[in-house]
Amino acid sequence: AQSVSQHNHHVILSEAASLELGCNYSYGGTVNLFWYVQYPGQHLQLLLKYFSGDPLVKGIKGFEAEFIKSKFSFNLRKPSVQWSDTAEYFCAVNPDSNYQLIWGAGTKLIIKP
Amino acid sequence: EAGVVQSPRYKIIEKKQPVAFWCNPISGHNTLYWYRQNLGQGPELLIRYENEEAVDDSQLPKDRFSAERLKGVDSTLKIQPAELGDSAVYLCASSFEDEQFFGPGTRLTVL
Repeated sequence: AQSVSQHNHHVILSEAASLELGCNYSYGGTVNLFWYVQYPGQHLQLLLKYFSGDPLVKGIKGFEAEFIKSKFSFNLRKPSVQWSDTAEYFCAVNPDSNYQLIWGAGTKLIIKP
Repeated sequence: EAGVVQSPRYKIIEKKQPVAFWCNPISGHNTLYWYRQNLGQGPELLIRYENEEAVDDSQLPKDRFSAERLKGVDSTLKIQPAELGDSAVYLCASSFEDEQFFGPGTRLTVL
């Protein structure tokens, strides 16, 4: 069965630290890849997405993600986090562009001021 | 542009009672989704509509859950009767092409 794995359920960092959140998926075909973020008390919103082309994707608020097809990975990165990045981050995969989104369990990120 | 609207935001009911959630998608979005999100997990698709047609309801527990999308715009998700295990956040999303936009969700607590 298709699945998405996010390696860390909780991550705690200090401000200005670098961030990398892991995401791996199990599907051998074509995929569209997404990272969504949910800030405290707010709804899920799109952070960035990859459909094709340059595997390094830049999103909002200084986030980027790199698609490595050989590793079935789509890790999220930010060089220097801020307190306002405290949120829950979800990786999602859309196999074969069929509208179905398969979600990871999410990573709760806490940034210490 | 208004986002996806859901109501109510919170609902507390006793088990065996019925409950309904309402969703108004973004104008012009033909595709509408209902998800259930349990604590510590990602959303799980319950049903997907293309206009007024339910095109994927394979994950909807049809013995107690029902949904409708009359006129291809607003949608209602109903649970009758509710069970303790139905406590979760119920999310509505709508999409245009490949990006899904989410509402704030309804947090259901079944006592």
